[in-house]
Amino acid sequence: QKEVEQDPGPLSVPEGAIVSLNCTYSNSAFQYFMWYRQYSRKGPELLMYTYSSGNKEDGRFTAQVDKSSKYISLFIRDSQPSDSATYLCAHGGSTLGRLYFGRGTQLTVWP
Amino acid sequence: NAGVTQTPKFRVLKTGQSMTLLCAQDMNHEYMYWYRQDPGMGLRLIHYSVGEGTTAKGEVPDGYNVSRLKKQNFLLGLESAAPSQTSVYFCASSYGLRDGYTFGSGTRLTVV
Repeated sequence: QKEVEQDPGPLSVPEGAIVSLNCTYSNSAFQYFMWYRQYSRKGPELLMYTYSSGNKEDGRFTAQVDKSSKYISLFIRDSQPSDSATYLCAHGGSTLGRLYFGRGTQLTVWP
Repeated sequence: NAGVTQTPKFRVLKTGQSMTLLCAQDMNHEYMYWYRQDPGMGLRLIHYSVGEGTTAKGEVPDGYNVSRLKKQNFLLGLESAAPSQTSVYFCASSYGLRDGYTFGSGTRLTVV
């Protein structure tokens, strides 16, 4: 079983839609949860970071962690064409600082 | 502040040739990582380092070697390239897990 499972999509939505991206994870000992955004032919960049359970909001983006179901979610409100990218979830917690990544979900927001 | 710089950005190798990919970071990060990214496979960890002079194997280390002689540099070597090593290679660094990773822009390698 992979540490992090993520539906690769692709996901295609109209501009202004609410987008929900989801992952499941297996190691309940890990405390750090992150979302990375990767534009085409670029390196991933850190988008959201949460520690432990609950929600974290940053502008149009909300990251949610449900430890009881081992579920990680990213919500994008009022989606824009500039949000079109691949989104990777990640989690970790060992002293070695290693993150485990999902395979990424490809999102297209069309105008 | 350049962040994480990878060289070269593109390379075409013939089967059996060798090459070294260079990753340099100017953020004084302790941890450095090499990943490969293939369609449908996501990011797979090749090797990583938790400090100068240390290296460790990741998920897919076969066919690769690494060295970290200086804190700011992490080198990935392919001794005898194979077509299966055609991929996009990303280097990343971090100060600690709480800060997440900073990625380079990638090296696109094709082995023919």
